[in-house]
Formats: sequence, C-alpha cells, structure tokens
Amino acid sequence: QQQVKQSPQSLIVQKGGISIINCAYENTAFDYFPWYQQFPGKGPALLIAIRPDVSEKKEGRFTISFNKSAKQFSLHIMDSQPGDSATYFCAATQEGGNNRLAFGKGNQVVVIP
Amino acid sequence: IAGITQAPTSQILAAGRRMTLRCTQDMRHNAMYWYRQDLGLGLRLIHYSNTAGTTGKGEVPDGYSVSRANTDDFPLTLASAVPSQTSVYFCASSLVGGGADEQFFGPGTRLTVL
Repeated sequence: QQQVKQSPQSLIVQKGGISIINCAYENTAFDYFPWYQQFPGKGPALLIAIRPDVSEKKEGRFTISFNKSAKQFSLHIMDSQPGDSATYFCAATQEGGNNRLAFGKGNQVVVIP
Repeated sequence: IAGITQAPTSQILAAGRRMTLRCTQDMRHNAMYWYRQDLGLGLRLIHYSNTAGTTGKGEVPDGYSVSRANTDDFPLTLASAVPSQTSVYFCASSLVGGGADEQFFGPGTRLTVL
C-alpha cells in the first residue's frame, strides 16, 4: 500500500514559471514531511522539510505548503530555472521510534528555457 | 570528506550469481539504509540498520541480506541474483534512525541481472 502518493507524475514548466507538486498521505500519525531532489545519475538529497506545527515553510525559491486536515502537502518552485530540472520525491514518517521514511514514487520536473 | 561511497558503480551479473554491493560512510552516522529505485516505483527500502550490530527489514527485503559489523560499512548481498533485481541501488545514512533525520545518499550502483 502506497503510504504517500504524488501527483502529477511529470511536469514541464517554462523558465520563470511555478512548478507545483502535490503529495497526499494516509497515516495521520505522520509528523515529518521532507522533499528530496534527485539529479540524473546522482543520489537524492534533502531539499526542504516541514513539520505540522506550521502550514508553510520557505527556503529560497522552494516552499512547502501543508494542509493537515486534507492530509496533503505540496512543493512550490517559484521562478523555475533549467537547473531545477530533476526528480522530486515527497516522503513522510512519524518521528521517533522505529519508524521508516515512506517515499512517494517521484515526480520528474523539466524546466525548458 | 567523501560522505557515502558505493561500489561498484555498475555491474552486469548473470542470474544465479552471488553479488555484494558495498557501502561505506565516513560521517559516523548511526543509521544506514539500502533502497532500490525503479522507474515508476520510486525509492523502496530494502533493509536498514539503526546502529552497528542491528539490522531490520524494509518494504522489499526478499532476496537480499545485510550485515552491520561496524559503524562505517553496510554491505548488501544478493545470494542468488534474479532478473527482477535489476535496479539502481542507493545506500544512505543518517545521524540517528527513525526516519525523521536527514538521509544522505550515495551515488548509487546500477545493477543489471541477465
């Protein structure tokens, strides 16, 4: 059972536009929601993460929006650049204990000049 | 500082052969992980270790085994490879286990089983 579901599967955005990737989760005990970025031929790397005590977190051009009641969170890439072209994974877990990070299937973002 | 290294970078393997993928980290992280990445399926956890001497099963452990004899190394063994194990394998580590700590990934091993 997929614990975290991402949409859309792929996205093509014009340079300067906004990329939006959505994630939905089922487990209401989840309390840590990171996004990982992966460039071709490389391993994923943590981009930004949020905990449910806030509804939004911004780091540079990247923003996570969190909707606890809808069990959804999304990544917004403002002023998208060709260098942002990558695969983005959302993930979720319950902090502490023996819990593991559940990843979404990934979303390929292509920013065209 | 290398972070996480994986070896080999890529490998073509005949079905039925035994293969060990190597993973070493120099960050003194307690937790380590093995994932496989397949198109359309994302990252799936194979095995993990929260600390040296302990291991646990992830989402897709069948056909794989791991050991954690020390903090730095976390090898993944395919006892008898099958074509469905063709994948890109990533090793990762984090300072603590439990999933809510940043995971640092290696560059991956691309494995093809024929």
